[in-house]
Amino acid sequence: EDQVTQSPEALRLQEGESSSLNCSYTVSGLRGLFWYRQDPGKGPEFLFTLYSAGEEKEKERLKATLTKKESFLHITAPKPEDSATYLCAVAYNQGGKLIFGQGTELSVKP
Amino acid sequence: DTGVSQDPRHKITKRGQNVTFRCDPISEHNRLYWYRQTLGQGPEFLTYFQNEAQLEKSRLLSDRFSAERPKGSFSTLEIQRTEQGDSAMYLCASSPGGGSYGYTFGSGTRLTVV
Repeated sequence: EDQVTQSPEALRLQEGESSSLNCSYTVSGLRGLFWYRQDPGKGPEFLFTLYSAGEEKEKERLKATLTKKESFLHITAPKPEDSATYLCAVAYNQGGKLIFGQGTELSVKP
Repeated sequence: DTGVSQDPRHKITKRGQNVTFRCDPISEHNRLYWYRQTLGQGPEFLTYFQNEAQLEKSRLLSDRFSAERPKGSFSTLEIQRTEQGDSAMYLCASSPGGGSYGYTFGSGTRLTVV
């Protein structure tokens, strides 16, 4: 069964304390892996797309990496404004339907 | 064009009533998607359109749910005879299609069935 699993479900960090979020997936024919940020009561906001193993993307304090079975979202020296739920999703067919993980709720305290 | 817009933002309805939501995608995007999200979960796929054609529907989309995209522009999602289990955030997204799979999401419609 095609599946996306994120861990941990919740993560509490102190400001400046770097960490990583994990997204593992079991799909055949991966066409892309996506990271989104979602603030409470809002729709997901696009962060990154990764297409092949070994690929890396960076944006400010965030860096996403991809292997054949999982992706990591590394957060370096986070700030309170990085607090949000981070969603991982995969596309695996031509229709563009995404399968989402359940998300990791990140809280960064000053 | 300011992105994907959804209307209304919030809807409270009594069980058994019908509700309709609207989504206006980014104008040059020919794919439009509907997702449902419950608290603490990631979005779940409901259906998608390529222009005006509805190409895929999830088994989550019971016969009480219907979606349309007339003329390939805006889309509507109707839920008939609402149930408490329909309470969720309904998200619309659009993408250019072709080889691009990145979505732009709207802010969603929060449905509460009482």
